Amino acid sequence: GAVVSQHPSWVICKSGTSVKIECRSLDFQATTMFWYRQFPKQSLMLMATSNEGSKATYEQGVEKDKFLINHASLTLSTLTVTSAHPEDSSFYICSARDGTLWETQYFGPGTRLLVL
Amino acid sequence: GQQLNQSPQSMFIQEGEDVSMNCTSSSIFNTWLWYKQDPGEGPVLLIALYKAGELTSNGRLTAQFGITRKDSFLNISASIPSDVGIYFCAGQLVGNEKLTFGTGTRLTIIP
Repeated sequence: GAVVSQHPSWVICKSGTSVKIECRSLDFQATTMFWYRQFPKQSLMLMATSNEGSKATYEQGVEKDKFLINHASLTLSTLTVTSAHPEDSSFYICSARDGTLWETQYFGPGTRLLVL
Repeated sequence: GQQLNQSPQSMFIQEGEDVSMNCTSSSIFNTWLWYKQDPGEGPVLLIALYKAGELTSNGRLTAQFGITRKDSFLNISASIPSDVGIYFCAGQLVGNEKLTFGTGTRLTIIP
């Protein structure tokens, strides 16, 4: 149980285009989902926290107009990188928290974004 | 944002050796978590620690929650090839769902 999926697993796009990444909890309801970014050989950095039906809370330094997050249901959150640029190339990982276990986050397999 | 410091940054060991790594913070946490990340994958939870001084095992893995609540240790006994990867610690405070991740320890097993 507690499986989180992401789609797509990788994406290559041209500079200036927008890219949408989906995060789904497959066998549980996720009241909260988290979006992380990981640059090569670095740790995971939290970008934003998303609660179902409400606006996402962004970490300091993360542009909310550039990284649009929608958490429309208890099993789906989306991250849209708008007007992507090469510096947005990174590994984006989502996690989902089972509402019954406060401390446990289940991570998705990640989405690798390459902006040319 | 804040990061936890992990050491060593990387390790090169032979199969069968034991491994020790640690994670330190300038501030206290109420929960310590250890994750393993394989290349191109998301982190997978290995061990969760909830009380200062707690020692918890998961197969060949043993982790401890430091008494000061500012550190944690992970030991792997009798390493095998599938232990290769990056190990991250993460700290969490009561009432705060956010995780603060460590800088990571990359484990490589020399044939």
